[in-house]
Amino acid sequence: GAVVSQHPSRVICKSGTSVKIECRSLDFQATTMFWYRQFPKKSLMLMATSNEGSKATYEQGVEKDKFLINHASLTLSTLTVTSAHPEDSSFYICSARDGQVGYTFGSGTRLTVV
Amino acid sequence: GQNIDQPTEMTATEGAIVQINCTYQTSGFNGLFWYQQHAGEAPTFLSYNVLDGLEEKGRFSSFLSRSKGYSYLLLKELQMKDSASYLCAVMDSNYQLIWGAGTKLIIKP
Repeated sequence: GAVVSQHPSRVICKSGTSVKIECRSLDFQATTMFWYRQFPKKSLMLMATSNEGSKATYEQGVEKDKFLINHASLTLSTLTVTSAHPEDSSFYICSARDGQVGYTFGSGTRLTVV
Repeated sequence: GQNIDQPTEMTATEGAIVQINCTYQTSGFNGLFWYQQHAGEAPTFLSYNVLDGLEEKGRFSSFLSRSKGYSYLLLKELQMKDSASYLCAVMDSNYQLIWGAGTKLIIKP
Protein backbone atom coordinates (compact mmCIF):
# COMPACT_ATOMS: atom_id res chain seq x y z
CA GLY A 1 0.00 0.00 0.00
CA ALA A 2 0.84 3.66 -0.17
CA VAL A 3 3.43 4.84 2.34
CA VAL A 4 4.23 8.33 3.55
CA SER A 5 7.44 8.71 5.50
CA GLN A 6 7.72 11.60 7.95
CA HIS A 7 10.88 12.68 9.79
CA PRO A 8 11.81 13.34 12.48
CA SER A 9 9.36 11.51 14.72
CA ARG A 10 10.38 13.56 17.75
CA VAL A 11 12.32 16.78 18.08
CA ILE A 12 13.15 19.05 20.98
CA CYS A 13 14.41 22.52 20.15
CA LYS A 14 15.17 25.75 21.93
CA SER A 15 12.94 28.80 21.66
CA GLY A 16 13.90 30.97 18.74
CA THR A 17 15.33 28.20 16.60
CA SER A 18 13.81 26.67 13.46
CA VAL A 19 12.80 23.09 12.87
CA LYS A 20 12.26 21.36 9.54
CA ILE A 21 9.90 18.42 9.17
CA GLU A 22 10.04 16.28 6.03
CA CYS A 23 7.27 14.28 4.47
CA ARG A 24 7.97 11.85 1.61
CA SER A 25 5.65 9.70 -0.45
CA LEU A 26 7.64 6.51 -0.97
CA ASP A 27 5.76 4.60 -3.64
CA PHE A 28 3.52 7.13 -5.30
CA GLN A 29 3.61 10.69 -6.51
CA ALA A 30 1.82 13.23 -4.40
CA THR A 31 1.03 16.47 -6.19
CA THR A 32 -0.78 17.61 -3.08
CA MET A 33 0.13 17.07 0.54
CA PHE A 34 -1.65 18.27 3.65
CA TRP A 35 -0.13 19.47 6.90
CA TYR A 36 -2.05 19.06 10.12
CA ARG A 37 -1.53 20.02 13.70
CA GLN A 38 -3.07 18.10 16.56
CA PHE A 39 -3.36 19.18 20.18
CA PRO A 40 -3.78 16.58 22.94
CA LYS A 41 -7.20 14.94 22.87
CA LYS A 42 -8.25 17.12 19.94
CA SER A 43 -8.88 16.31 16.32
CA LEU A 44 -6.70 17.17 13.39
CA MET A 45 -6.49 20.81 12.41
CA LEU A 46 -5.57 21.47 8.79
CA MET A 47 -2.80 24.04 8.61
CA ALA A 48 -2.07 24.17 4.90
CA THR A 49 -2.31 22.38 1.61
CA SER A 50 1.00 21.92 -0.13
CA ASN A 51 1.04 21.89 -3.93
CA GLU A 52 4.01 20.68 -5.94
CA GLY A 53 5.67 23.51 -7.79
CA SER A 54 3.47 26.27 -6.42
CA LYS A 55 2.76 28.15 -3.22
CA ALA A 56 1.00 26.42 -0.39
CA THR A 57 -2.55 27.35 0.56
CA TYR A 58 -2.80 28.24 4.22
CA GLU A 59 -5.89 27.94 6.39
CA GLN A 60 -7.25 31.02 8.11
CA GLY A 61 -5.29 31.90 11.20
CA VAL A 62 -2.13 30.03 10.21
CA GLU A 63 0.89 32.30 9.81
CA LYS A 64 2.56 31.49 6.51
CA ASP A 65 5.79 33.26 7.51
CA LYS A 66 6.04 31.15 10.63
CA PHE A 67 5.13 27.82 9.06
CA LEU A 68 7.07 27.67 5.81
CA ILE A 69 6.01 24.97 3.40
CA ASN A 70 7.99 23.82 0.41
CA HIS A 71 6.84 21.18 -2.06
CA ALA A 72 9.69 21.08 -4.55
CA SER A 73 9.10 17.60 -5.94
CA LEU A 74 6.30 15.10 -6.41
CA THR A 75 7.53 13.06 -3.48
CA LEU A 76 8.72 15.59 -0.92
CA SER A 77 7.07 18.33 1.09
CA THR A 78 8.68 20.11 4.03
CA LEU A 79 7.28 22.17 6.87
CA THR A 80 9.65 24.53 8.66
CA VAL A 81 8.59 26.00 11.97
CA THR A 82 10.54 29.24 12.19
CA SER A 83 11.49 31.02 15.40
CA ALA A 84 9.77 28.35 17.42
CA HIS A 85 8.07 29.17 20.72
CA PRO A 86 6.73 26.86 23.42
CA GLU A 87 3.18 27.37 22.15
CA ASP A 88 4.27 25.76 18.87
CA SER A 89 4.80 22.49 20.73
CA SER A 90 2.38 20.05 19.18
CA PHE A 91 1.96 16.92 17.08
CA TYR A 92 2.40 17.69 13.38
CA ILE A 93 1.17 15.22 10.78
CA CYS A 94 1.36 15.23 7.00
CA SER A 95 -0.85 13.31 4.62
CA ALA A 96 -1.26 12.75 0.91
CA ARG A 97 -4.01 11.46 -1.31
CA ASP A 98 -2.78 8.03 -2.24
CA GLY A 99 -4.47 7.75 -5.61
CA GLN A 100 -7.03 5.27 -4.37
CA VAL A 101 -9.76 6.22 -1.96
CA GLY A 102 -7.85 7.15 1.13
CA TYR A 103 -5.48 9.66 2.55
CA THR A 104 -2.23 8.16 3.78
CA PHE A 105 -0.69 9.80 6.80
CA GLY A 106 2.90 10.15 7.85
CA SER A 107 3.81 8.85 11.29
CA GLY A 108 3.75 12.34 12.79
CA THR A 109 6.31 14.59 14.47
CA ARG A 110 6.15 15.42 18.15
CA LEU A 111 7.68 18.90 18.50
CA THR A 112 8.64 20.19 21.92
CA VAL A 113 9.97 23.73 22.19
CA VAL A 114 11.80 24.50 25.43
CA GLY B 1 -21.07 26.29 8.84
CA GLN B 2 -19.64 22.83 8.49
CA ASN B 3 -19.95 20.47 11.40
CA ILE B 4 -19.08 16.87 12.25
CA ASP B 5 -20.44 15.40 15.49
CA GLN B 6 -19.39 12.21 17.16
CA PRO B 7 -19.39 11.13 20.81
CA THR B 8 -16.34 12.12 22.81
CA GLU B 9 -15.83 8.80 24.53
CA MET B 10 -17.31 5.31 24.61
CA THR B 11 -16.60 2.24 26.70
CA ALA B 12 -17.16 -1.36 25.66
CA THR B 13 -16.22 -4.84 26.78
CA GLU B 14 -13.74 -7.15 25.09
CA GLY B 15 -15.56 -9.51 22.72
CA ALA B 16 -18.61 -7.29 22.44
CA ILE B 17 -19.90 -5.04 19.64
CA VAL B 18 -19.81 -1.25 19.62
CA GLN B 19 -21.30 1.31 17.23
CA ILE B 20 -19.75 4.76 16.90
CA ASN B 21 -22.06 7.32 15.33
CA CYS B 22 -21.16 10.34 13.24
CA THR B 23 -23.52 13.05 11.99
CA TYR B 24 -22.46 15.74 9.60
CA GLN B 25 -23.52 19.00 8.02
CA THR B 26 -21.21 20.05 5.23
CA SER B 27 -21.22 22.12 2.07
CA GLY B 28 -21.43 19.28 -0.39
CA PHE B 29 -20.45 15.67 0.03
CA ASN B 30 -17.81 13.61 -1.70
CA GLY B 31 -17.49 10.75 0.71
CA LEU B 32 -17.03 9.93 4.37
CA PHE B 33 -13.94 8.40 5.92
CA TRP B 34 -13.28 6.59 9.17
CA TYR B 35 -9.79 6.53 10.62
CA GLN B 36 -8.32 4.84 13.67
CA GLN B 37 -5.72 6.68 15.73
CA HIS B 38 -3.78 5.21 18.61
CA ALA B 39 -2.38 7.64 21.16
CA GLY B 40 0.75 9.37 19.89
CA GLU B 41 0.43 7.88 16.42
CA ALA B 42 -0.89 9.08 13.08
CA PRO B 43 -4.36 8.04 11.87
CA THR B 44 -4.75 4.90 9.78
CA PHE B 45 -7.44 4.43 7.15
CA LEU B 46 -10.37 2.18 8.01
CA SER B 47 -13.13 2.84 5.50
CA TYR B 48 -14.60 5.10 2.85
CA ASN B 49 -18.32 5.42 2.04
CA VAL B 50 -19.72 7.51 -0.77
CA LEU B 51 -22.94 5.59 -1.48
CA ASP B 52 -25.69 4.73 0.98
CA GLY B 53 -25.46 1.39 2.68
CA LEU B 54 -23.19 -0.84 4.66
CA GLU B 55 -19.58 -1.63 3.80
CA GLU B 56 -18.15 -4.61 5.63
CA LYS B 57 -14.44 -5.22 6.06
CA GLY B 58 -13.61 -7.97 8.50
CA ARG B 59 -14.54 -7.02 12.05
CA PHE B 60 -15.22 -3.44 11.01
CA SER B 61 -18.25 -2.19 9.09
CA SER B 62 -19.24 1.32 8.10
CA PHE B 63 -22.71 2.57 7.22
CA LEU B 64 -23.80 5.73 5.43
CA SER B 65 -27.11 7.51 4.96
CA ARG B 66 -26.59 10.64 2.89
CA SER B 67 -30.19 11.82 3.28
CA LYS B 68 -29.79 11.78 7.06
CA GLY B 69 -26.22 13.05 7.14
CA TYR B 70 -25.35 10.05 9.24
CA SER B 71 -22.76 7.34 9.43
CA TYR B 72 -21.67 4.75 11.92
CA LEU B 73 -18.66 2.54 12.42
CA LEU B 74 -19.45 -0.90 13.80
CA LEU B 75 -16.73 -2.87 15.52
CA LYS B 76 -17.37 -6.54 16.28
CA GLU B 77 -15.55 -9.04 18.48
CA LEU B 78 -13.76 -6.22 20.22
CA GLN B 79 -10.14 -6.74 21.14
CA MET B 80 -8.03 -4.78 23.59
CA LYS B 81 -5.96 -3.44 20.69
CA ASP B 82 -9.10 -1.70 19.39
CA SER B 83 -8.73 0.84 22.18
CA ALA B 84 -8.06 4.02 20.20
CA SER B 85 -9.68 7.16 18.92
CA TYR B 86 -11.91 6.83 15.87
CA LEU B 87 -12.10 9.84 13.60
CA CYS B 88 -14.93 10.59 11.20
CA ALA B 89 -14.12 12.87 8.28
CA VAL B 90 -16.22 14.16 5.38
CA MET B 91 -14.91 15.36 2.05
CA ASP B 92 -16.86 18.46 1.07
CA SER B 93 -17.66 19.92 -2.34
CA ASN B 94 -14.16 21.42 -2.57
CA TYR B 95 -12.64 18.02 -1.83
CA GLN B 96 -11.46 19.28 1.55
CA LEU B 97 -11.57 16.92 4.49
CA ILE B 98 -13.64 18.11 7.43
CA TRP B 99 -12.69 16.25 10.60
CA GLY B 100 -14.74 15.32 13.62
CA ALA B 101 -13.12 15.61 17.04
CA GLY B 102 -12.83 11.86 17.34
CA THR B 103 -14.34 9.25 19.64
CA LYS B 104 -12.09 7.71 22.25
CA LEU B 105 -12.99 4.05 22.59
CA ILE B 106 -12.02 2.31 25.82
CA ILE B 107 -12.12 -1.48 25.85
CA LYS B 108 -12.41 -3.21 29.20
CA PRO B 109 -11.59 -6.89 29.84
